[in-house]
Amino acid sequence: AQSVTQLDSQVPVFEEAPVELRCNYSSSVSVYLFWYVQYPNQGLQLLLKYLSGSTLVKGINGFEAEFNKSQTSFHLRKPSVHISDTAEYFCAVSPTYGNKLVFGAGTILRVKS
Amino acid sequence: KAGVTQTPRYLIKTRGQQVTLSCSPISGHRSVSWYQQTPGQGLQFLFEYFSETQRNKGNFPGRFSGRQFSNSRSEMNVSTLELGDSALYLCASFIDNEQFFGPGTRLTVL
Repeated sequence: AQSVTQLDSQVPVFEEAPVELRCNYSSSVSVYLFWYVQYPNQGLQLLLKYLSGSTLVKGINGFEAEFNKSQTSFHLRKPSVHISDTAEYFCAVSPTYGNKLVFGAGTILRVKS
Repeated sequence: KAGVTQTPRYLIKTRGQQVTLSCSPISGHRSVSWYQQTPGQGLQFLFEYFSETQRNKGNFPGRFSGRQFSNSRSEMNVSTLELGDSALYLCASFIDNEQFFGPGTRLTVL
């Protein structure tokens, strides 16, 4: 079984500041890792995914994440946030043999001007 | 290509009723999964269908059921609705290790 822990429920940050949203996971099997974003009253949009290869993954909207196998972490970063990045962000894992996603509880990113 | 579509977008029902939600995946995608999103429990996997067969199932009571048609469209049904079934129900179609989510159906049970 897999589990995902997002260490911060809310992260307030000023516009143009850097941000890191933290995610740790637990799994007894190999997994793929994902970050999704959800804007109010909308579905989930994939920001980036790690399947294999380079541990630094670049996604849409200037986001990137680093897979750290020894620390079982997959933290999301952006060097300079915008007001439009205000949303809820979900870290998720799925076993490599299937596509059932297990999500973390979510982190609300609030960007202030 | 059109994205994943879900109908209806909003639904209000009363306790004890049943409800059917519909999901049309992206053209060519044969796998459809359903998730329930609530403030208390977060995002939870309900079930996955592939080529009209349920391939995986989450930990939900038997009141929650689904099916998939030959054109890959999927429906989920909840019978004997309870207040706790109020949630956003998300459908996703899957290809190449990526799930594409629809906008969801917001179900309110009164």
